[in-house]
Amino acid sequence: AQSVTQLDSQVPVFEEAPVELRCNYSSSVSVYLFWYVQYPNQGLQLLLKYLSGSTLVKGINGFEAEFNKSQTSFHLRKPSVHISDTAEYFCAVSPNNAGNMLTFGGGTRLMVKP
Amino acid sequence: EPEVTQTPSHQVTQMGQEVILRCVPISNHLYFYWYRQILGQKVEFLVSFYNNEISEKSEIFDDQFSVERPDGSNFTLKIRSTKLEDSAMYFCASSDSVGGPDTQYFGPGTRLTVL
Repeated sequence: AQSVTQLDSQVPVFEEAPVELRCNYSSSVSVYLFWYVQYPNQGLQLLLKYLSGSTLVKGINGFEAEFNKSQTSFHLRKPSVHISDTAEYFCAVSPNNAGNMLTFGGGTRLMVKP
Repeated sequence: EPEVTQTPSHQVTQMGQEVILRCVPISNHLYFYWYRQILGQKVEFLVSFYNNEISEKSEIFDDQFSVERPDGSNFTLKIRSTKLEDSAMYFCASSDSVGGPDTQYFGPGTRLTVL
């Protein structure tokens, strides 16, 4: 079984500041890792995913994430946020040995202030 | 860009009533999923569906729940006798492969309120 922890339920940040949203996971098997974003009244949209290879993954909207196997982390970063990045961000994992079921973290609400 | 759609956006029902939540997955996708999110809690996997049968299901997906692909486009989730604790946002998703890391595309969700 897998579990995902997003330690910060809310992250307030000023526009153009850098941001890091933290994600840690636990799993008895190797996993694929994902970050999804949910804008108000919309579905979950994939930001980026880690499958294998380079541990630094770049996604849409200037976001990137780094997979750290020893720390079982997959933190999301952006060097300079915009007001439009205000949304809920979800980290998720799926086991790479069978099925495609996603296990989600609790979400982090990013609030970008002018 | 193709997208997953869900209807209705909000469903209010009385406890004990049956509800059917509808989803139209992306047209060339073959794998379908339902997730739910109770207010203030995590998004939880309910069930995955492929080739007209359930591939995986969670402990949440008990005998009160069923899924169906009644035609070539719709994918439905039925709750036979709703309980108060079924109140949640229900998300449908689809992808075009399984057993691998393919992206699941999510719909906007149906908010189910059980009174």
